[in-house]
Amino acid sequence: KAGVTQTPRYLIKTRGQQVTLSCSPISGHRSVSWYQQTPGQGLQFLFEYFSETQRNKGNFPGRFSGRQFSNSRSEMNVSTLELGDSALYLCASSPGYGYTFGSGTRLTVV
Amino acid sequence: SQQGEEDPQALSIQEGENATMNCSYKTSINNLQWYRQNSGRGLVHLILIRSNEREKHSGRLRVTLDTSKKSSSLLITASRAADTASYFCATDDDKIIFGKGTRLHILP
Repeated sequence: KAGVTQTPRYLIKTRGQQVTLSCSPISGHRSVSWYQQTPGQGLQFLFEYFSETQRNKGNFPGRFSGRQFSNSRSEMNVSTLELGDSALYLCASSPGYGYTFGSGTRLTVV
Repeated sequence: SQQGEEDPQALSIQEGENATMNCSYKTSINNLQWYRQNSGRGLVHLILIRSNEREKHSGRLRVTLDTSKKSSSLLITASRAADTASYFCATDDDKIIFGKGTRLHILP
Protein backbone atom coordinates (compact mmCIF):
# COMPACT_ATOMS: atom_id res chain seq x y z
CA LYS A 1 0.00 0.00 0.00
CA ALA A 2 1.14 3.57 -0.61
CA GLY A 3 3.05 5.28 2.19
CA VAL A 4 2.76 8.79 3.51
CA THR A 5 3.22 11.30 0.71
CA GLN A 6 4.49 14.78 1.34
CA THR A 7 4.64 17.48 -1.28
CA PRO A 8 6.65 19.30 -2.33
CA ARG A 9 9.96 17.64 -1.45
CA TYR A 10 11.95 20.85 -1.60
CA LEU A 11 10.90 24.45 -1.35
CA ILE A 12 12.74 27.77 -1.29
CA LYS A 13 10.87 30.82 -0.03
CA THR A 14 11.74 34.39 0.83
CA ARG A 15 11.35 35.94 4.27
CA GLY A 16 7.87 37.32 4.76
CA GLN A 17 6.21 34.93 2.34
CA GLN A 18 3.82 32.21 3.33
CA VAL A 19 3.98 28.52 2.48
CA THR A 20 1.61 25.56 2.41
CA LEU A 21 2.83 21.99 2.75
CA SER A 22 0.73 18.94 1.99
CA CYS A 23 0.57 15.46 3.49
CA SER A 24 -1.44 12.48 2.28
CA PRO A 25 -1.59 9.78 4.97
CA ILE A 26 -1.78 6.06 4.49
CA SER A 27 -5.27 5.04 3.47
CA GLY A 28 -7.36 4.39 6.55
CA HIS A 29 -5.13 6.36 8.91
CA ARG A 30 -7.13 9.13 10.53
CA SER A 31 -4.39 10.69 12.63
CA VAL A 32 -1.85 13.01 11.04
CA SER A 33 0.94 14.70 12.96
CA TRP A 34 3.43 17.32 11.87
CA TYR A 35 6.99 17.80 13.11
CA GLN A 36 9.71 20.34 12.46
CA GLN A 37 13.26 19.05 12.44
CA THR A 38 16.28 21.33 12.71
CA PRO A 39 19.87 20.50 13.64
CA GLY A 40 19.70 22.57 16.78
CA GLN A 41 16.27 21.67 18.15
CA GLY A 42 15.79 18.14 16.85
CA LEU A 43 12.26 16.92 16.18
CA GLN A 44 9.70 19.34 17.51
CA PHE A 45 6.01 18.48 17.57
CA LEU A 46 3.83 20.98 15.73
CA PHE A 47 0.30 19.58 15.86
CA GLU A 48 -1.83 16.51 15.42
CA TYR A 49 -5.11 16.19 13.59
CA PHE A 50 -7.69 13.46 13.94
CA SER A 51 -10.90 13.37 11.96
CA GLU A 52 -10.50 16.98 10.83
CA THR A 53 -9.99 18.24 14.40
CA GLN A 54 -6.77 19.48 15.94
CA ARG A 55 -6.19 17.11 18.82
CA ASN A 56 -2.83 18.36 20.09
CA LYS A 57 -0.66 21.37 19.54
CA GLY A 58 3.01 22.01 20.25
CA ASN A 59 4.68 25.22 21.34
CA PHE A 60 4.88 27.07 18.07
CA PRO A 61 3.70 30.60 17.29
CA GLY A 62 0.39 31.27 15.63
CA ARG A 63 2.15 31.69 12.28
CA PHE A 64 2.09 27.90 12.12
CA SER A 65 -1.32 26.47 11.37
CA GLY A 66 -2.79 23.36 9.90
CA ARG A 67 -5.94 21.63 8.88
CA GLN A 68 -7.19 18.21 7.92
CA PHE A 69 -9.71 17.39 5.25
CA SER A 70 -12.46 14.79 5.24
CA ASN A 71 -10.21 12.40 3.29
CA SER A 72 -7.60 12.73 6.09
CA ARG A 73 -5.19 14.67 3.90
CA SER A 74 -3.57 17.44 5.87
CA GLU A 75 -1.95 20.75 5.11
CA MET A 76 0.20 22.98 7.23
CA ASN A 77 0.70 26.64 6.59
CA VAL A 78 3.42 28.97 7.78
CA SER A 79 2.82 32.67 7.32
CA THR A 80 5.32 35.52 7.44
CA LEU A 81 8.27 33.19 7.03
CA GLU A 82 11.43 33.78 9.05
CA LEU A 83 14.94 32.50 8.39
CA GLY A 84 14.61 30.26 11.43
CA ASP A 85 11.72 28.42 9.82
CA SER A 86 14.18 26.69 7.52
CA ALA A 87 13.84 23.04 8.42
CA LEU A 88 12.72 19.60 7.38
CA TYR A 89 8.98 19.31 7.97
CA LEU A 90 7.82 15.78 8.56
CA CYS A 91 4.33 14.43 8.50
CA ALA A 92 3.34 11.14 10.11
CA SER A 93 0.13 9.17 9.97
CA SER A 94 -1.10 6.63 12.43
CA PRO A 95 -3.92 4.12 12.74
CA GLY A 96 -3.80 4.54 16.52
CA TYR A 97 -0.28 3.55 17.56
CA GLY A 98 3.05 3.55 15.76
CA TYR A 99 3.67 6.25 13.23
CA THR A 100 4.59 6.07 9.56
CA PHE A 101 6.50 9.08 8.36
CA GLY A 102 6.71 10.70 4.99
CA SER A 103 10.05 11.71 3.49
CA GLY A 104 9.50 15.30 4.48
CA THR A 105 9.52 18.70 2.86
CA ARG A 106 12.81 20.56 3.03
CA LEU A 107 11.97 24.25 3.40
CA THR A 108 14.68 26.84 2.96
CA VAL A 109 13.90 30.46 3.77
CA VAL A 110 16.25 33.02 2.24
CA SER B 1 10.56 20.06 26.49
CA GLN B 2 11.97 16.82 25.11
CA GLN B 3 10.49 13.73 26.68
CA GLY B 4 13.07 11.27 25.41
CA GLU B 5 16.80 11.77 25.67
CA GLU B 6 19.10 9.42 23.80
CA ASP B 7 22.60 8.55 24.87
CA PRO B 8 25.20 8.67 23.44
CA GLN B 9 24.68 11.53 21.02
CA ALA B 10 27.04 9.86 18.54
CA LEU B 11 28.51 6.39 18.24
CA SER B 12 31.04 4.92 15.80
CA ILE B 13 31.67 1.17 15.72
CA GLN B 14 33.22 -1.38 13.39
CA GLU B 15 30.98 -3.36 11.09
CA GLY B 16 29.98 -6.60 12.77
CA GLU B 17 30.06 -5.20 16.30
CA ASN B 18 26.99 -4.61 18.42
CA ALA B 19 25.65 -1.11 18.96
CA THR B 20 23.79 -0.08 22.09
CA MET B 21 21.86 3.13 22.48
CA ASN B 22 20.02 4.30 25.53
CA CYS B 23 16.99 6.46 26.07
CA SER B 24 15.70 8.11 29.22
CA TYR B 25 12.34 9.74 29.63
CA LYS B 26 10.60 11.79 32.26
CA THR B 27 6.96 10.88 32.74
CA SER B 28 4.91 7.70 32.73
CA ILE B 29 4.27 6.23 29.31
CA ASN B 30 1.89 3.91 27.49
CA ASN B 31 4.59 2.71 25.13
CA LEU B 32 8.03 3.60 23.83
CA GLN B 33 9.05 3.44 20.22
CA TRP B 34 12.34 3.49 18.38
CA TYR B 35 12.77 5.00 14.95
CA ARG B 36 15.61 5.21 12.45
CA GLN B 37 16.29 8.16 10.18
CA ASN B 38 18.67 8.07 7.27
CA SER B 39 20.26 11.40 6.43
CA GLY B 40 17.63 14.03 5.66
CA ARG B 41 14.86 11.49 5.17
CA GLY B 42 11.72 10.54 7.02
CA LEU B 43 11.70 8.33 10.09
CA VAL B 44 11.21 4.60 9.87
CA HIS B 45 9.41 2.88 12.73
CA LEU B 46 11.58 0.08 14.10
CA ILE B 47 9.91 -1.33 17.16
CA LEU B 48 7.33 -0.51 19.83
CA ILE B 49 7.48 -1.78 23.38
CA ARG B 50 4.54 -1.40 25.71
CA SER B 51 4.86 -0.23 29.27
CA ASN B 52 4.05 -3.71 30.60
CA GLU B 53 6.78 -5.36 28.50
CA ARG B 54 10.42 -5.63 29.55
CA GLU B 55 12.09 -6.88 26.40
CA LYS B 56 11.24 -7.24 22.75
CA HIS B 57 13.09 -8.62 19.74
CA SER B 58 12.79 -7.92 16.04
CA GLY B 59 15.44 -9.44 13.80
CA ARG B 60 18.79 -7.98 14.85
CA LEU B 61 17.10 -5.49 17.18
CA ARG B 62 16.57 -5.98 20.88
CA VAL B 63 14.79 -3.39 22.97
CA THR B 64 14.54 -3.34 26.73
CA LEU B 65 12.37 -1.16 28.91
CA ASP B 66 12.81 -0.38 32.59
CA THR B 67 9.86 1.70 33.72
CA SER B 68 11.24 2.02 37.26
CA LYS B 69 14.30 3.80 35.86
CA LYS B 70 12.34 5.42 33.03
CA SER B 71 14.86 4.13 30.52
CA SER B 72 15.08 1.98 27.43
CA SER B 73 17.91 0.56 25.38
CA LEU B 74 18.17 -0.44 21.74
CA LEU B 75 20.72 -3.08 20.81
CA ILE B 76 21.63 -3.70 17.18
CA THR B 77 23.60 -6.91 16.80
CA ALA B 78 26.08 -7.70 14.04
CA SER B 79 25.98 -4.16 12.70
CA ARG B 80 26.08 -3.46 8.97
CA ALA B 81 27.00 -0.39 6.94
CA ALA B 82 23.31 0.09 6.17
CA ASP B 83 22.66 0.61 9.89
CA THR B 84 24.41 3.99 9.68
CA ALA B 85 21.66 6.43 10.60
CA SER B 86 20.22 8.45 13.46
CA TYR B 87 18.13 6.58 15.98
CA PHE B 88 15.37 8.18 18.01
CA CYS B 89 13.30 7.02 20.89
CA ALA B 90 9.81 8.38 21.22
CA THR B 91 7.33 8.19 24.04
CA ASP B 92 3.58 8.23 23.71
CA ASP B 93 1.84 10.32 26.30
CA ASP B 94 -0.96 12.28 24.68
CA LYS B 95 1.33 13.04 21.77
CA ILE B 96 4.51 11.46 20.59
CA ILE B 97 7.66 13.22 21.72
CA PHE B 98 11.09 12.50 20.30
CA GLY B 99 14.54 12.81 21.77
CA LYS B 100 17.39 14.38 19.80
CA GLY B 101 18.70 11.04 18.64
CA THR B 102 21.88 9.02 18.53
CA ARG B 103 23.93 9.27 15.35
CA LEU B 104 25.30 5.82 14.62
CA HIS B 105 28.16 5.39 12.16
CA ILE B 106 29.25 1.92 11.11
CA LEU B 107 32.86 1.81 10.00
CA PRO B 108 33.82 -0.64 7.22
